[in-house]
Amino acid sequence: AQSVTQLGSHVSVSEGALVLLRCNYSSSVPPYLFWYVQYPNQGLQLLLKYTSAATLVKGINGFEAEFKKSETSFHLTKPSAHMSDAAEYFCAVSEGIQGAQKLVFGQGTRLTINP
Amino acid sequence: KAGVTQTPRYLIKTRGQQVTLSCSPISGHRSVSWYQQTPGQGLQFLFEYFSETQRNKGNFPGRFSGRQFSNSRSEMNVSTLELGDSALYLCASSLGSGTRNEQFFGPGTRLTVL
Repeated sequence: AQSVTQLGSHVSVSEGALVLLRCNYSSSVPPYLFWYVQYPNQGLQLLLKYTSAATLVKGINGFEAEFKKSETSFHLTKPSAHMSDAAEYFCAVSEGIQGAQKLVFGQGTRLTINP
Repeated sequence: KAGVTQTPRYLIKTRGQQVTLSCSPISGHRSVSWYQQTPGQGLQFLFEYFSETQRNKGNFPGRFSGRQFSNSRSEMNVSTLELGDSALYLCASSLGSGTRNEQFFGPGTRLTVL
């Protein structure tokens, strides 16, 4: 079974500072990886996905993530944090057998932006 | 295109009752998945339906069940509710089934069991 570990349940940065949210995965096959964001009282919104094309993936709202096979990592970054980035972020790996699918999520990282 | 819709958004039930949650996927999407989100266990996969067939099931007791209709709409049912079933239930749809497909989530149904 595949798994995802997000290092740091809470991350706090100042507005304008670099955002770095860490995600490591465990997979026996080439993974499909996703980052989702959840704002309070809402569902999950897809930020970006890695599906074995380019290793540097650009997403919405200025976020990007780099797939590093040697480190089994898929860390999420944004050069300059904005107050509106405050939310919970989830890294997920897609797992499936015989064409079925499910997402296996990390525990989430709550991002706080300080003014 | 309208997004994934879930009804109701909020629900309060008492222990022992049963509940049915509904999900309408994005038009044209044929796969619907359900997830449970709790503060303690995080996001956990319940099941996936594709073309009215359950393709995949998570590690939940038989009290949790679901179905999908010919128009791809899906319902999930929880019987004999327990306090621990209080959670946000999220539905997600995707164009097809398979690990490459990105899943689009609805706003969720928040179930409180008293």
